[in-house]
Amino acid sequence: KAGVTQTPRYLIKTRGQQVTLSCSPISGHRSVSWYQQTPGQGLQFLFEYFSETQRNKGNFPGRFSGRQFSNSRSEMNVSTLELGDSALYLCASSAGGRNLYEQYFGPGTRLTVT
Amino acid sequence: GQQVMQIPQYQHVQEGEDFTTYCNSSTTLSNIQWYKQRPGGHPVFLIQLVKSGEVKKQKRLTFQFGEAKKNSSLHITATQTTDVGTYFCAGIQGAQKLVFGQGTRLTINP
Repeated sequence: KAGVTQTPRYLIKTRGQQVTLSCSPISGHRSVSWYQQTPGQGLQFLFEYFSETQRNKGNFPGRFSGRQFSNSRSEMNVSTLELGDSALYLCASSAGGRNLYEQYFGPGTRLTVT
Repeated sequence: GQQVMQIPQYQHVQEGEDFTTYCNSSTTLSNIQWYKQRPGGHPVFLIQLVKSGEVKKQKRLTFQFGEAKKNSSLHITATQTTDVGTYFCAGIQGAQKLVFGQGTRLTINP
C-alpha cells in the first residue's frame, strides 16, 4: 500500500496570508489527524477527522481549521498567518478499530512564514 | 492540562552503551505508543502497549508499561548508529485523544 502523502512538501508564505495543506491517507484508513511540530513545542495535536467529522480538537486558535472529504483525504487551512506558525505540519492516518490510534505519518509540509 | 512527560530530553551515548527513555502521565492511560523519528524524517510507529505491566521486545528494544498504566519506558540494549533519532511516547488520555511526550533525542558517538 502507498503511504500517507502530503502536499506541498515545502511552502513559504508571508504574514497575514492563508495556506491550505493537503493530506491523502493510506487506502482504507478513515481517520486523519494533524500535528504541528516545532523544536520548542514538540508534536502538538491540531485535530482529528473520522468519516468527514471532526472527532477531536487540540488547543489551537480558530485560525487553524480542517476538513475531510468522502474519500478520507483531508485538508488543513491556516488563515492570517503569523511568524509563529512556521513549523512542520504532519498528517497521520489510522485504520480504526482495535488499532485506532496506531498512527502512520506522512512526510510533512514544512511551512515558513516570513 | 493533559500531559505526558518524557525524560530525558537529550541523551548522548557511546555506541554499544544502553539507552533508556521514560514516559510519565499524571492520569491513567488507556494505552501507550512509541514512535521513532530519524533526523529530517517523520515519526514512525514502533509499538503499542495496552495491558498493565506489559513488556514487549523488538530485537534490542524493550518496551514496558507500568502496573498503574501511568508510565512507560523504552530501553535499547547495545546501541548502534542506526538507533539515532528522537523517540516519542504517546498515550491515550480521557477523551480518546492521543497526547505525545516531548521526545528524547538520542545521539550516538561511533
